[in-house]
Amino acid sequence: AQTVTQSQPEMSVQEAETVTLSCTYDTSESDYYLFWYKQPPSRQMILVIRQEAYKQQNATENRFSVNFQKAAKSFSLKISDSQLGDAAMYFCAYRSARRAGNQFYFGTGTSLTVIP
Amino acid sequence: KAGVTQTPRYLIKTRGQQVTLSCSPISGHRSVSWYQQTPGQGLQFLFEYFSETQRNKGNFPGRFSGRQFSNSRSEMNVSTLELGDSALYLCASSPSRDSGELFFGEGSRLTVL
Repeated sequence: AQTVTQSQPEMSVQEAETVTLSCTYDTSESDYYLFWYKQPPSRQMILVIRQEAYKQQNATENRFSVNFQKAAKSFSLKISDSQLGDAAMYFCAYRSARRAGNQFYFGTGTSLTVIP
Repeated sequence: KAGVTQTPRYLIKTRGQQVTLSCSPISGHRSVSWYQQTPGQGLQFLFEYFSETQRNKGNFPGRFSGRQFSNSRSEMNVSTLELGDSALYLCASSPSRDSGELFFGEGSRLTVL
């Protein structure tokens, strides 16, 4: 079974600074998708960024970018110019591209605090 | 377009009771998945429904069950509640089984006393 590990339960960053959240995963598959989801306090979880494993280019979405290292099975999220609204729980997730269905494997999350 | 709606948002039950949670997906979405979220465990997949059929099931006991109706709305049921069932139950919908993105509701927070 696939496992996703987030080794940083909590992180903090100064407003306007850059922070990197770590994620590693374990799989024997070659085709898969990786995601970062954001869960603000008492609000619904939303997709931040998505990466297809077959793409070598790292995905970016405005201030959010990833460092995808397929051989190392590492998928970190970089948040640039951090804003107060970035404070949330961040979950890394994996989904097989070979098996049909929406069974995602999530890490345990990293709680990000943004300091004004 | 309305998002994923889950009801009730909060509920308290006692051990041994059963509970039913409801999820209305985004209009047009046919896949509904359920996840259990607990501190330290993250999100764990319960099951996925598509076209009124359970397609995938996670590693949970048979006390956890669900169904999907013809309008794609879904319910999950937990029978003989245990203290360890206290969690945030999240519903997520997708347009299809291969869309690659989940759209989450705000969750139903269950407390078992």
